[in-house]
Amino acid sequence: AQTVTQSQPEMSVQEAETVTLSCTYDTSESDYYLFWYKQPPSRQMILVIRQEAYKQQNATENRFSVNFQKAAKSFSLKISDSQLGDAAMYFCAYKGDDYKLSFGAGTTVTVRA
Amino acid sequence: NAGVMQNPRHLVRRRGQEARLRCSPVKGHSHVYWYRQLPEEGLKFMVYLQKENIIDESGMPKERFSAEFPKEGPSILRIQQVVRGDSAAYFCASSPPEGGHSGNTIYFGEGSWLTVV
Repeated sequence: AQTVTQSQPEMSVQEAETVTLSCTYDTSESDYYLFWYKQPPSRQMILVIRQEAYKQQNATENRFSVNFQKAAKSFSLKISDSQLGDAAMYFCAYKGDDYKLSFGAGTTVTVRA
Repeated sequence: NAGVMQNPRHLVRRRGQEARLRCSPVKGHSHVYWYRQLPEEGLKFMVYLQKENIIDESGMPKERFSAEFPKEGPSILRIQQVVRGDSAAYFCASSPPEGGHSGNTIYFGEGSWLTVV
């Protein structure tokens, strides 16, 4: 199984500011997919953003963007202009040649008003 | 709502009872996955099913747990003789007929929370 590491258990950000969540992974595959999921207090798993490893361009979805460094096996998530509704647990996930998602342990994001 | 539907959202069972969790995939999706989330942890893969077939159950506990995805009706995750350690959130996910190999995004339901008392 692939290993996905999120080294920040908790992050706090001021409303309207920017926060970056880190994620590293271990793999020997060359083609794979990376995801960030958001789990708000409702506990639903919501897809935030995805990145195909063969694409060099970093994915962007509105205020969410990633910094994908394939050689370093790093996949960080940047939340810009943070809003109160961004408060949640964020999970980084890896999917390789098979169908299984491997998740990190999660980072809890708190947004200060 | 065309998303993955799970029920019940919350289930309380006494030790020794059976728990049945149901999942209806996104319309048109023929691949179903079950994941478990223990408190303060990320999701862990349990089982992957296609219609009438179990493709991979490597993440399922060897005893008391079973899953099915019949030709008609929802996928069922069944836990027999529940114990306190089974208390967790159980998430169902689905993907299109091409499955997860092509990189198609896997969509999650809202989860079923099992509490064993």
